[in-house]
Formats: sequence, C-alpha cells, structure tokens
Amino acid sequence: QSALTQPPSVSGSPGQSVTISCTGTSSDVGNYNRVSWYQQPPGTAPKLMIYEVSNRPSGVPDRFSGSKSGNTASLTISGLQAEDEADYYCSSYTDSSTLIFGGGTKLTVL
Amino acid sequence: QVQLQESGPGLVKPSDTLSLTCTVSGHSISSNNWWGWIRQPPGKGLEWIGYIYNSGSIFYSPSLRSRVTMSVDTSKNQFSLKLRSVTAVDTAMYHCARHYCSVNACYVDLWGPGTLVTVSS
Repeated sequence: QSALTQPPSVSGSPGQSVTISCTGTSSDVGNYNRVSWYQQPPGTAPKLMIYEVSNRPSGVPDRFSGSKSGNTASLTISGLQAEDEADYYCSSYTDSSTLIFGGGTKLTVL
Repeated sequence: QVQLQESGPGLVKPSDTLSLTCTVSGHSISSNNWWGWIRQPPGKGLEWIGYIYNSGSIFYSPSLRSRVTMSVDTSKNQFSLKLRSVTAVDTAMYHCARHYCSVNACYVDLWGPGTLVTVSS
C-alpha cells in the first residue's frame, strides 16, 4: 500500500491561486469520497482543512476548496496569504478500511 | 475543550517495544469515534498506523500490522499503542488522533500535540 502521490512543492505569490494534486488508485481515492486535507505549519500538529472531498470545517476560510476527479483529488487555495505557507497532506479511506496519507506538499508563498 | 495528550518513554532501545498512551479529556472515549495513531519521522511525511473503536474493532496499516497492537481503556478514558521489535526507522513524532468516520467520510478531526520517540541504544 503506497502513499498517495503529491507534488513535493508548489509556490505562488500573495493573491494568486495554487492547486495541490493527490493521486491514488481505484482502491482508495477513486473509490471513495472519504478524502481529506491537512495543513501543517512547521513544528505544529496537522490541522483538518477539508473533509469528504470538498467540505470545510468551521473556521477554515472559503479560500480553501477541494475537488476530485477519478483517482485524483485536488486542494485549491485562492487569494494566497503568507500565513498559508505550510506543508499540506491529503488522506483517503481505502478498501482495507484503513487510511492512507500522501507524501506531503510544501507550499511556499513568494 | 476536547484535548488529546500522548505520554510514554522518549527513548526506546532497538528490538524493544515502544509503548504510548493517549489520554482523552473533555470527551468520552466511548463516543462514536475511532481512536488512532499517526507518526511522522523527522523531516518526513505522515504515516497512518491504525485506529480502534471502543467496541474493539481495530484496523492497522498493512505495513505495520505484524508489529502493532492497540487497545482502549474506557475506565481511564485512554487508548494505547504498542509497537514491537523497533529499529531506528521507527524514530518519529507519534500523534494520537480522534477520527470521525461515517458512510461518506473518514478523517482526523483532532490531533494530539505529539511525542517524539527515538530508537537508540
């Protein structure tokens, strides 16, 4: 069971939009809407940003949005702000009733 | 508010068993949640270890299944992790985590701050 595939890094200027992809298989991302995204600033525990592909928990800005097509889920951050700089991880439920994470993407705000 | 707090030795010898406990405060461990563990080696990504429901249902990561045991103690509102035969590659920050899982969703909605466990002689 390999980790979901994410780009190691993405970057953007303040005010721009960036999209982070998360590619799995038909045994995880492609078979369930149980995809979630987490933000992890340096030295802190991860924080839930998106669940069930596109739902935002209370308190998460609507600049964060999620989507899915086939075996690939995506997280889009619009109107980039300096405070968005962090590592981002996707996660999916699997056919084995377990969870699996992506390798993580480092977002740099230029 | 609801909090999770990991506890256990910060240093474990190679081939020994890593044992950690997570204390849940402000929320009953008998509620409709799965309780689990996630680790992160220094400078690397997150790795899901497994989760347990208060009824005793348990699921482990296939890569760690042969060495992991999880349990719940409802009287203490705690759950625990044991990882056997550890090596240096098991050195990581270990987070306990509350999962919410339903027909349409399964995600971690609450994380403990984490505890660093180093495997070294």
